[in-house]
Amino acid sequence: QKEVEQDPGPLSVPEGAIVSLNCTYSNSAFQYFMWYRQYSRKGPELLMYTYSSGNKEDGRFTAQVDKSSKYISLFIRDSQPSDSATYLCAFWGGSQGNLIFGKGTKLSVKP
Amino acid sequence: DGGITQSPKYLFRKEGQNVTLSCEQNLNHDAMYWYRQDPGQGLRLIYYSQIVNDFQKGDIAEGYSVSREKKESFPLTVTSAQKNPTAFYLCASSMGTIHEQFFGPGTRLTVL
Repeated sequence: QKEVEQDPGPLSVPEGAIVSLNCTYSNSAFQYFMWYRQYSRKGPELLMYTYSSGNKEDGRFTAQVDKSSKYISLFIRDSQPSDSATYLCAFWGGSQGNLIFGKGTKLSVKP
Repeated sequence: DGGITQSPKYLFRKEGQNVTLSCEQNLNHDAMYWYRQDPGQGLRLIYYSQIVNDFQKGDIAEGYSVSREKKESFPLTVTSAQKNPTAFYLCASSMGTIHEQFFGPGTRLTVL
């Protein structure tokens, strides 16, 4: 079983749609859950991070963590063409080790 | 403006040559990291440094070397021992919190 699994897509949606991006993980030691956005040929930028189960909202973005199911999601409301990018989930154990990244989901929002 | 700079943006190398990628940050961050990204792959950690004059191997350090002589700088050398060096290389830094890493724009290395 892979430590992190993320559907690579590509995912194509019309402008204004609600987007759901997901990752599953197997390591129960993960305590921090991150979402990075990476535009083509650019470095990733940290969108959000959460520490516990539940939801965290920031504008049009909502990060959701379900530790019992080892499942995290990123929801994008009212998606815009500028949201077109690759979204990477990332995990950290909190006290040791390094960030573990998913392979990324490529999202395209069509006008 | 604070940030991380990487140079060059594109780099071409002949087989058998060593090449050094530059990474500089003015964020006053203590920790710096080097990642490699291949198409359809997640980021893989090459080396990291939490303080000056100290660094540790990541998951794929073979064929790479680093130095950390200054807090602001963390250059990566891709040696001829690296079997498949063509990739997108990303430098990152953080202020003691590993989960809040800030990335540079990347260097795309192509071996001819």
